[in-house]
Amino acid sequence: GQQLNQSPQSMFIQEGEDVSMNCTSSSIFNTWLWYKQEPGEGPVLLIALYKAGELTSNGRLTAQFGITRKDSFLNISASIPSDVGIYFCAGQLWNAGNMLTFGGGTRLMVKP
Amino acid sequence: DTEVTQTPKHLVMGMTNKKSLKCEQHMGHRAMYWYKQKAKKPPELMFVYSYEKLSINESVPSRFSPECPNSSLLNLHLHALQPEDSALYLCASSQPGQGGYEQYFGPGTRLTVT
Repeated sequence: GQQLNQSPQSMFIQEGEDVSMNCTSSSIFNTWLWYKQEPGEGPVLLIALYKAGELTSNGRLTAQFGITRKDSFLNISASIPSDVGIYFCAGQLWNAGNMLTFGGGTRLMVKP
Repeated sequence: DTEVTQTPKHLVMGMTNKKSLKCEQHMGHRAMYWYKQKAKKPPELMFVYSYEKLSINESVPSRFSPECPNSSLLNLHLHALQPEDSALYLCASSQPGQGGYEQYFGPGTRLTVT
């Protein structure tokens, strides 16, 4: 099925660095969601975005819903070792049963 | 409370076995989902139940049989699986209908078919 373009695929950074990842689509979405998944666990919802241009923060995480409704980015400031995991973006269409279309994921590794 | 629980955590089964995966949520959500996830890939949608009725079946083989006994429970019955069915099976729930309703995932069941 369709998959969003998520980049980068992986990042290996030093503790304390800021991280940025993004998702792009050829079609618009009504909602953008960002999830984090740790090994052996299910995805955990980090941030949900509902309006084009919306900028939302959750602690050290900041995400934005692109103005064209075709993209979103997630920033993590001052990374720490427990930020390690795979981050997935997901676009949602309200008139399509709220189905999620996922990006391929960004694997984040943090060196202490 | 945004918790979705799944049992068992791990399951090993032979190709001739019959087993079931269970999912439960107490958030009052009336839409529940089964996803399959392979290593290093995003979740793939299998089934959607809305108000306890099957609304979406993403062309999943009949060896996977979903069931929604009530608004809080979702089962996935497994029979005659193949080794390529080994994966992490995730359950999720949300409010149904049109609108920006977030999906909340359970921890998953790691299934190994031998």
